[in-house]
Amino acid sequence: AQSVTQPDIHITVSEGASLELRCNYSYGATPYLFWYVQSPGQGLQLLLKYFSGDTLVQGIKGFEAEFKRSQSSFNLRKPSVHWSDAAEYFCAVGEVFGNEKLTFGTGTRLTIIP
Amino acid sequence: GAVVSQHPSWVICKSGTSVKIECRSLDFQATTMFWYRQFPKQSLMLMATSNEGSKATYEQGVEKDKFLINHASLTLSTLTVTSAHPEDSSFYICSARGLGSTNEKLFFGSGTQLSVL
Repeated sequence: AQSVTQPDIHITVSEGASLELRCNYSYGATPYLFWYVQSPGQGLQLLLKYFSGDTLVQGIKGFEAEFKRSQSSFNLRKPSVHWSDAAEYFCAVGEVFGNEKLTFGTGTRLTIIP
Repeated sequence: GAVVSQHPSWVICKSGTSVKIECRSLDFQATTMFWYRQFPKQSLMLMATSNEGSKATYEQGVEKDKFLINHASLTLSTLTVTSAHPEDSSFYICSARGLGSTNEKLFFGSGTQLSVL
């Protein structure tokens, strides 16, 4: 069965500093990986996704993520965070075909300090 | 981008009553909708998958008689929590996908916070 681990429950970063959110997955085949962001009381917005090709993917809002098969990781990064980036971030893994259910990690809450 | 509207965003009800949550796709035909629940500080857990015009497929451990899902049209799916109890208090989120789309075309509603007294 597929699973996703986000080791960091809560991260605090100063505005303007760099950010890396960790995500490790377990999946039997080539994974289809996603990062979503959730603002308080809101649904999820897709930041970026990876299926194949270049292992460094660019997303919206200046985010990027790198797929490392050898480490089963798909960490999210941003060179310089903004106060508006404060939110909950979820990593997810899913099937590409078939029933296409997504499995989510437990999320990482990001706090930005001035 | 595509919009999924979920209503209500917040509801409080008495124990034993039923609550209906609506999920609408506003600018596309959602052939498949997913319902998730999210407890505080936890991840989204898939409850069920509904395809328009057919019965929903429930995940293991989810009571289909308690969480009634109806997907009668290509733009509307409803989740009814029947005889709600305090342990049903949670954040419920729907997501919708159009015909032939993969998960990159999966759009989420804004969620419903259910509090059962």
